[in-house]
Amino acid sequence: GENVEQHPSTLSVQEGDSAVIKCTYSDSASNYFPWYKQELGKGPQLIIDIRSNVGEKKDQRIAVTLNKTAKHFSLHITETQPEDSAVYFCAASMSLEAGGTSYGKLTFGQGTILTVHP
Amino acid sequence: DTEVTQTPKHLVMGMTNKKSLKCEQHMGHRAMYWYKQKAKKPPELMFVYSYEKLSINESVPSRFSPECPNSSLLNLHLHALQPEDSALYLCASSHLTGWDTDTQYFGPGTRLTVL
Repeated sequence: GENVEQHPSTLSVQEGDSAVIKCTYSDSASNYFPWYKQELGKGPQLIIDIRSNVGEKKDQRIAVTLNKTAKHFSLHITETQPEDSAVYFCAASMSLEAGGTSYGKLTFGQGTILTVHP
Repeated sequence: DTEVTQTPKHLVMGMTNKKSLKCEQHMGHRAMYWYKQKAKKPPELMFVYSYEKLSINESVPSRFSPECPNSSLLNLHLHALQPEDSALYLCASSHLTGWDTDTQYFGPGTRLTVL
């Protein structure tokens, strides 16, 4: 099955600095890579995603890059703010057949605790 | 609107109790999921429903019983749970047709404590 490694496990930055979180995956069949932000006591919130036919995607201060050859993808947050503090999960998804339909099975990384100091 | 709602937000139950968790979405998604998340760990898939039918059971103990009464609702019935079942239970949903079938949207979760 798919295996996703995520690093670092904790990341502490000063407000205004950039933060980078890296993930690697093992199965080349994975073709969709979402990033989720989870604040304390809340569910994971999708913040950005990238598909395997794209190398980079940006949304304001957040960007994701994908290197299919090396099987790794990264989340970049620029101009960090205290409200960016949360746990960030990367995931890799591949289509699986079950019950006559296909669905995307998510395999998550172990998470990165990001702390942005004012 | 990408909202998945879950009730209750918190639940405390004894090992002999029967309780239910509820999940609702109005995005027209025909796939719905239950995940379990322990502290400081990623979500773990429990069940997948597609077109209101159970497609995947990730070897979950029978004390957890899912139900999908219609395309918008997903329940998780709990009976005779153990303290180690204490966790955050997350519901998610996604499309089953079109280009965006693998994007899952999560609800806020139900924090379950088993005494």
